[in-house]
Amino acid sequence: AQSVTQLDSQVPVFEEAPVELRCNYSSSVSVYLFWYVQYPNQGLQLLLKYLSGSTLVKGINGFEAEFNKSQTSFHLRKPSVHISDTAEYFCAVKEEWSGNTGKLIFGQGTTLQVKP
Amino acid sequence: ETGVTQTPRHLVMGMTNKKSLKCEQHLGHNAMYWYKQSAKKPLELMFVYSLEERVENNSVPSRFSPECPNSSHLFLHLHTLQPEDSALYLCASSQDMGFSYEQYFGPGTRLTVT
Repeated sequence: AQSVTQLDSQVPVFEEAPVELRCNYSSSVSVYLFWYVQYPNQGLQLLLKYLSGSTLVKGINGFEAEFNKSQTSFHLRKPSVHISDTAEYFCAVKEEWSGNTGKLIFGQGTTLQVKP
Repeated sequence: ETGVTQTPRHLVMGMTNKKSLKCEQHLGHNAMYWYKQSAKKPLELMFVYSLEERVENNSVPSRFSPECPNSSHLFLHLHTLQPEDSALYLCASSQDMGFSYEQYFGPGTRLTVT
């Protein structure tokens, strides 16, 4: 069965430090990968997505992620975080066969806490 | 209004009440979704509609009843809920259900069942 694992439930980091949020998935078919961010009291907003092509994907707010097929990972990175990056981050996977339902499978989420 | 809107933003209801959650998308999309977000659990897909037709019912109890009168509106009717149904209910839409289409989310309705 397909699943998405976010390896850290909370990541505390100081402002202007780099950060990596880890995501691993399991699937036997081709996948499409997404990272969403959820700020307090808001819905989810798409940060970036990987569909095909270059394995390094750049998104909004200075975030980027790298798809590693052999390690079935899609880790999210930012070289220098800001206080405003404090939020919940969700990794999600859509399997190739999901076209008839558009089903996204989400990880449990990682809380990024940026400290001054 | 732009994007995906949801009303109400907060709802407190007793176990014997009947209430409805409303979602509206202003993006011209064809597919709409209901998700349940509980604390420290992955988002759970509840229902999927495409062009007003339900295409997925993810083993959701019958006390949750969706309705999609047109491609812009989606409702979730609630009755005789349980305390464990307390959660954030998120609505989303996408251009279509194809592989590459991203989903746009509303702000959610925070539901508390007392």
